Amino acid sequence: ETGVTQSPTHLIKTRGQQVTLRCSSQSGHNTVSWYQQALGQGPQFIFQYYREEENGRGNFPPRFSGLQFPNYSSELNVNALELDDSALYLCASTPGGKGFEQYFGPGTRLTVT
Amino acid sequence: GQNIDQPTEMTATEGAIVQINCTYQTSGFNGLFWYQQHAGEAPTFLSYNVLDGLEEKGRFSSFLSRSKGYSYLLLKELQMKDSASYLCAVRDSSNDYKLSFGAGTTVTVRA
Repeated sequence: ETGVTQSPTHLIKTRGQQVTLRCSSQSGHNTVSWYQQALGQGPQFIFQYYREEENGRGNFPPRFSGLQFPNYSSELNVNALELDDSALYLCASTPGGKGFEQYFGPGTRLTVT
Repeated sequence: GQNIDQPTEMTATEGAIVQINCTYQTSGFNGLFWYQQHAGEAPTFLSYNVLDGLEEKGRFSSFLSRSKGYSYLLLKELQMKDSASYLCAVRDSSNDYKLSFGAGTTVTVRA
């Protein structure tokens, strides 16, 4: 139990639609990172937020965007969904002052048809 | 960028030892992590190495050689519950929170 929750657990969307995924971290975890994990692959870094600002981004297009809120929750938004966006989306939070251990949530399984 | 390689699958017998190797080529290195991921679940932290040498934690040990770009995770006294995917991840020196993961090694423990 990492104390990181994500919603929804599963989601099915149609190509071209938009989706919002949510993550809730423990109090004091002021850094959140989002990862995309395709089937049979390791997680790929999408971006990271620190104190409500984007603080690093992987090789993902601008249609992947995020928000972080003062209450330690965050969102991942994906516009114009493509079939290849089907994956497990993981958020990971890090406690303030402890820079290396990331606590992962259970993930949201997104299927794009 | 980062290039991280690990074997796809390994099989071992309950009670045995298995060693999972990971090699990496990075533009900036600031630590290596091992995570365990059971099917359909989140990755859970196993170990962290930033200096050369062996880190031991119960049945699990992790080794790092920075000059060789090499790490291994050693699982001793294997149990059925150790059947999972094991992910090697490198922390980027440009961003403390960005992890680059390998594709994972699926370990199957047989009775």
